[in-house]
Amino acid sequence: KAGVTQTPRYLIKTRGQQVTLSCSPISGHRSVSWYQQTPGQGLQFLFEYFSETQRNKGNFPGRFSGRQFSNSRSEMNVSTLELGDSALYLCASRDGRRNSPLHFGNGTRLTVT
Amino acid sequence: DQQVKQNSPSLSVQEGRISILNCDYTNSMFDYFLWYKKYPAEGPTFLISISSIKDKNEDGRFTVFLNKSAKHLSLHIVPSQPGDSAVYFCAASSPGTPLVFGKGTRLSVIA
Repeated sequence: KAGVTQTPRYLIKTRGQQVTLSCSPISGHRSVSWYQQTPGQGLQFLFEYFSETQRNKGNFPGRFSGRQFSNSRSEMNVSTLELGDSALYLCASRDGRRNSPLHFGNGTRLTVT
Repeated sequence: DQQVKQNSPSLSVQEGRISILNCDYTNSMFDYFLWYKKYPAEGPTFLISISSIKDKNEDGRFTVFLNKSAKHLSLHIVPSQPGDSAVYFCAASSPGTPLVFGKGTRLSVIA
């Protein structure tokens, strides 16, 4: 079974631009979560989608948004990029069971200059 | 307010010895705990989990211990191998809430 796929792997943008990151979950997984990892801050939760509905949202400004499609693929968008948005963005999927673990992709490394 | 804390940013262990990674949490509603391992340029990989109804779970060289009264869990790796060198994240969740991660502990296993 293919793992979680994130594209692109690397991205360089300038301040003020917007960016869209893509995630394809493991086949059969309907839950997709997004996390931001920055040095020294661990993994910060952005949002979770299940069957195209946002189920949870983290403490990030409205510039961060996401969506999920009917095939469970997900995108996240960051508008009006700031230097502090430079980070590794990780997508994870899991099946619908209560205590199933998250399975992560290899992330998209976003650099804002 | 950090709900999951890994107070040791790094740990060095000799090959063949035991590695013990620690994690503390503050939210008493957490009922499910996991450990992930992360290599550079890769996403975190699930290692082992434990439910709050247990106090120990074992999988090969990896054992997780949960002390609910102390709100503490630990990951034991025996014996440690050079390939275990990575950043280890502790995570926890309560019903209906997303996983909350600690900031990670970098383990170096020295040959």
